[in-house]
Order: sequence, then structure tokens, then C-alpha cells
Amino acid sequence: AQSVAQPEDQVNVAEGNPLTVKCTYSVSGNPYLFWYVQYPNRGLQFLLKYITGDNLVKGSYGFEAEFNKSQTSFHLKKPSALVSDSALYFCAVKDSGNTPLVFGKGTRLSVIA
Amino acid sequence: GAGVSQSPSNKVTEKGKDVELRCDPISGHTALYWYRQSLGQGLEFLIYFQGNSAPDKSGLPSDRFSAERTGGSVSTLTIQRTQQEDSAVYLCASSLARNEQFFGPGTRLTVL
Repeated sequence: AQSVAQPEDQVNVAEGNPLTVKCTYSVSGNPYLFWYVQYPNRGLQFLLKYITGDNLVKGSYGFEAEFNKSQTSFHLKKPSALVSDSALYFCAVKDSGNTPLVFGKGTRLSVIA
Repeated sequence: GAGVSQSPSNKVTEKGKDVELRCDPISGHTALYWYRQSLGQGLEFLIYFQGNSAPDKSGLPSDRFSAERTGGSVSTLTIQRTQQEDSAVYLCASSLARNEQFFGPGTRLTVL
């Protein structure tokens, strides 16, 4: 069965500093990996995905994520954080079939001016 | 183009009443998913429809929960005899097969 772990409930970073939100996964076969962001009282917005190809994936709002097969990780990164990046971030995984996503518990990112 | 829409945006009901939540997926998306997000929790998968195949109901928490998808498009999630623990945000998503899911804004259900 698939599973996702987001080890940090909360990440605090100063504006302008780089940010990392961690995610590790477990899946049989090749993983499909996703990051979503949820702003207050809003639905989830898709940020980026890894299906195959380059291990470094670039997504919306300047975010990127690096797929590391040996460490089964898919950490979300941004070189310079903005206050407006403050939100709840979810990592998700699925296998290659037509199956639902399995989500992590989410990491709340707080960017401080 | 239009995204996934859900109605109502908020629903307050009394314990024991039935509720229906509606989801309009993105046109042409073959897959439709329902999730539940409780306060401070992650997303819990409920049910999944793919084309004309039988739905994957493995995430439904009890037999009080059911869902249907008519004509391969609109879906309705029904909760019978609501309980206070059913209070949550119910999210609907749609996708083309094997691609990223696009989420609606959710329905916030409060059971008094």
C-alpha cells in the first residue's frame, strides 16, 4: 500500500531565505508524486508533479521538487521564500494505475517578514 | 475553462438529518474523487469513479455514506443520519486518467 510521510507539522522561514518542505513516500512500482498547496478557506491547488524524466521538477510560483529514488523522497523547495507562500502544503503519491492519491498529513509553512 | 465546482459551499445540519453534496467536475475528465478533510487533519480518501467502471468505495467510513455519478459527469455524495463526527470539509477532485487531480473549493459540513 502507498503511504506518504511529512515529518514536519510546521516549518518557519524568514522571507528571502530558501525553504524546504520534506516528504518521503512508499509505493510499489514506479511512483507518481505530487505537491499541492492549500490557502486558508480554499481548495487544494496543484503545484507540481513527478511522473518520469528529470529528477528536478519545476512547478508553479517558483517552487521545485527533487525526486530521490534511493532515499524515497520528494522534498519541495524554493530558493527565496515570500510571505505569500505561507500556507498548508500536501505531498501525495499514487501508483501508475487509476488509483486515488494518498496524501501526507500536511506541513504548515509560515514565512516571516 | 471552468474548474471543479461544488455546492453548497457551506452546510449546517442537525444530527440525524440526511445531506447531499454536489460536485461538477471539469468537462471531459474521466475520473472523479471524493475526499474528506477534518479540522487539523490530512485528506482522507472516500470514493473514486473512473469512467463506467464500478466505483472504488474502499474509503467510505460507514454505510451511511454513498455516492453516485450520473452520466459520467456530476456526482452526489450522500450522508444519511449525519453524526457530529461527520463534520468536515468534503473535497471533490477530477482528473484525466493518471494525471494530476484538480480540486474544487470544498463543502464545509457542520453537524450540530
